Amino acid sequence: IAGITQAPTSQILAAGRRMTLRCTQDMRHNAMYWYRQDLGLGLRLIHYSNTAGTTGKGEVPDGYSVSRANTDDFPLTLASAVPSQTSVYFCASSASGITDTQYFGPGTRLTVL
Amino acid sequence: GQNIDQPTEMTATEGAIVQINCTYQTSGFNGLFWYQQHAGEAPTFLSYNVLDGLEEKGRFSSFLSRSKGYSYLLLKELQMKDSASYLCAVGDSNYQLIWGAGTKLIIKP
Repeated sequence: IAGITQAPTSQILAAGRRMTLRCTQDMRHNAMYWYRQDLGLGLRLIHYSNTAGTTGKGEVPDGYSVSRANTDDFPLTLASAVPSQTSVYFCASSASGITDTQYFGPGTRLTVL
Repeated sequence: GQNIDQPTEMTATEGAIVQINCTYQTSGFNGLFWYQQHAGEAPTFLSYNVLDGLEEKGRFSSFLSRSKGYSYLLLKELQMKDSASYLCAVGDSNYQLIWGAGTKLIIKP
């Protein structure tokens, strides 16, 4: 692994189903982030983690949960998917806080029907 | 509220110079970033400004005026591969990045 990876690449999901998007980084970065990107809007922060064992809410956290059991992994879970969660989801990491460069994963394209 | 404004789309000619503007209103200021995003790909880092002035990096330069809440990204000697969206992001007082919607730059031969 080099950098930051996400899985799956894309997914079509029925409304009401539970889904976990995976994110793994091998850069030993302390901070990790989940964003969603929708056409015509900027990236919006869903949840973040400044260090392993801690998480925080971003701008649009409702309907999503995260965990940070170790430095490398930061999964995002949709407990009961709704069509408004159709989006492209990007995971990112940085060495520490927001003044550091964020490195992005390739993204997961999620469609909720 | 917090707001980042960028033009939605710009068109320029290969070999020319283009300036992409970004104005912001945020609660606090902890630096301004520019990222490049090619269609269907992830954003990648271009520049970071925390003090007023111009930062030059090869064909790309970024300027910041904190008193005016203004930044621009200057791209020189445009190449076809520069066709992409350019995202402006500002760190706020909550230590979160606020992102603009991005400027889609179209390069014509």
